[in-house]
Amino acid sequence: QLQLQESGPGLVKPSETLSLTCAVSGGSISNYRYYWGWIRQPPGKGLEWIATIYYSGSTHSNPSLKSRVTMSVDTSKNQFSLKLSSVTAADTAVYSCARLFGESWAFDIWGQGTMVTVSS
Amino acid sequence: QSALTQPASVSGSPGQSITISCTGTSSDIGTYNLVSWYQHHPGKAPKLIIYEVTKRPSGVSDHFSGSKSGNTASLTISGLQTEDEANYYCCSYAGSNIVIFGGGTKLTVL
Repeated sequence: QLQLQESGPGLVKPSETLSLTCAVSGGSISNYRYYWGWIRQPPGKGLEWIATIYYSGSTHSNPSLKSRVTMSVDTSKNQFSLKLSSVTAADTAVYSCARLFGESWAFDIWGQGTMVTVSS
Repeated sequence: QSALTQPASVSGSPGQSITISCTGTSSDIGTYNLVSWYQHHPGKAPKLIIYEVTKRPSGVSDHFSGSKSGNTASLTISGLQTEDEANYYCCSYAGSNIVIFGGGTKLTVL
């Protein structure tokens, strides 16, 4: 059964870069049917799509975050990563990685999520 | 793109049916039959319960159903159960490999 696990620092200073990795187990990240994505949920707020990546490295981002987002994929390690630059307190959120079924544009498997706080 | 519009909260009694609406635009829900719904219990991973407007993943109860009319999608939960109490989010493809989530609806089972 495919599983996703986020990892990364739980505390990031303002203006610095948030870096997270999602390890995929129980299946291949190179499966052509799927994209891989990041979604976040600020405290007390709803879900916000951040970006998705294909195993080839092709990336698509939320227009509101695009200038600060970098995603990468490492097929040899079966994992993908997110970098969000110039963070502020507004970027404090639970960050989750998820698998996106390309034909349906639905996130069918999610990681548990990791809390990232932006504070000095 | 703005978030899809959902009611902040709905409530119902066990056994009743409720419907959660999700309003978008002609650029997302109105154009694509690629609406999904997620059940989210706080502290747990969101769970996909509806995809492609009306389809249920394997293992999801048939008391969840989805529909769409124009720019509005809807999730209906029939025969409410206490374990249905959760937050529900809609999501739609919006073209150009972009997806948009709704603001979320808190379901309270009285």
